Amino acid sequence: GAVVSQHPSWVICKSGTSVKIECRSLDFQATTMFWYRQFPKQSLMLMATSNEGSKATYEQGVEKDKFLINHASLTLSTLTVTSAHPEDSSFYICSARGLGGSEQFFGPGTRLTVL
Amino acid sequence: AQTVTQSQPEMSVQEAETVTLSCTYDTSENNYYLFWYKQPPSRQMILVIRQEAYKQQNATENRFSVNFQKAAKSFSLKISDSQLGDTAMYFCAFMPDNDMRFGAGTRLTVKP
Repeated sequence: GAVVSQHPSWVICKSGTSVKIECRSLDFQATTMFWYRQFPKQSLMLMATSNEGSKATYEQGVEKDKFLINHASLTLSTLTVTSAHPEDSSFYICSARGLGGSEQFFGPGTRLTVL
Repeated sequence: AQTVTQSQPEMSVQEAETVTLSCTYDTSENNYYLFWYKQPPSRQMILVIRQEAYKQQNATENRFSVNFQKAAKSFSLKISDSQLGDTAMYFCAFMPDNDMRFGAGTRLTVKP
């Protein structure tokens, strides 16, 4: 199946700093990418959906100025957590879908810890 | 609102036996996709099986099969001949349009 990578796999940062997470589709063109957040022992919660070259669509309750999403190419999307705080500590997962496809391919996730 | 409900937070099964995980969803859409994902301790999401709503035949993938009841909006997963490696979180997912929505998950433990 198609492969999606995420970098970094884990990151620790200080409160108030910004962190960028990359999501790449390695062997297909991802026209749509999704960002999820998963707190311990909970399900995946959709944060936003982005189409290549367009602004991301954020779910209700997700601050678009805090979670900046860029999907500038068909193989790369980035999530930047700005002015991170301890409550932003979570597991962030991206997924990608190709044109006309119904299946989403998931990255391995990024564990963010904000001190 | 379109929701996905998994009513079994935890389940266990003896190795080699069969277990069924339940999932119900709520939608007014007629065409959509349903999925079961496995999330082992590594937290990588792994697709187990998928079902297209317009197909009446239940999907099967080796030891995994579903019981899709469209009128009842039910989508259960049956795991036959359970193996120790099946121990994981299992998420039911529903995709009516562009977005995929997940249930709360069922933690399955396969006991030796």
